[in-house]
Amino acid sequence: GENVEQHPSTLSVQEGDSAVIKCTYSDSASNYFPWYKQELGKGPQLIIDIRSNVGEKKDQRIAVTLNKTAKHFSLHITETQPEDSAVYFCAASGSGGGADGLTFGKGTHLIIQP
Amino acid sequence: KAGVTQTPRYLIKTRGQQVTLSCSPISGHRSVSWYQQTPGQGLQFLFEYFSETQRNKGNFPGRFSGRQFSNSRSEMNVSTLELGDSALYLCASSIQDSVLGQFFGPGTRLTVL
Repeated sequence: GENVEQHPSTLSVQEGDSAVIKCTYSDSASNYFPWYKQELGKGPQLIIDIRSNVGEKKDQRIAVTLNKTAKHFSLHITETQPEDSAVYFCAASGSGGGADGLTFGKGTHLIIQP
Repeated sequence: KAGVTQTPRYLIKTRGQQVTLSCSPISGHRSVSWYQQTPGQGLQFLFEYFSETQRNKGNFPGRFSGRQFSNSRSEMNVSTLELGDSALYLCASSIQDSVLGQFFGPGTRLTVL
């Protein structure tokens, strides 16, 4: 089945700086890659997603890049703010958006230092 | 539009008991998936339902089961609870029969003593 590795496990950045979280996946058939933000006591919130026919997608301060050849994708957050502090999860759909569910990375605890 | 709702939010059970968790998807969403979240294993896929049919199941024992009703609401059941079943159980819904655009509920925190 699909396996997703996520790095780093903890990332501390100064407010206003950029943050980058990286993930690799194993199943070359995967074609859907969402990113979720989870705050304490809440369920994961979908913040951005990308499909394999697209190399990059942006939404205001958030962007995701995908390299299908290398089987890795990254989340970029620019101009970080205190409210960006949370745990971020990457995920991949193991059978191309089908019924296998999402396979998640272990998460990155992003800390924004004031 | 209301989000995904899960009840109850917190549960405490003892080993050997069984438990039923409920999920109401976003209005118009027909696909419901369940996930287990623990500090050690992270987020793991349990099963997915679409139009009252279980389409796939993750690598969990048969003690974990679920169902979906005609109004898309879903329940999951865990029988013969073990200490290791203590976790946050998350439900997610999406419009179509896939994991694209899944929205998660707040989860049910299950503690097994």
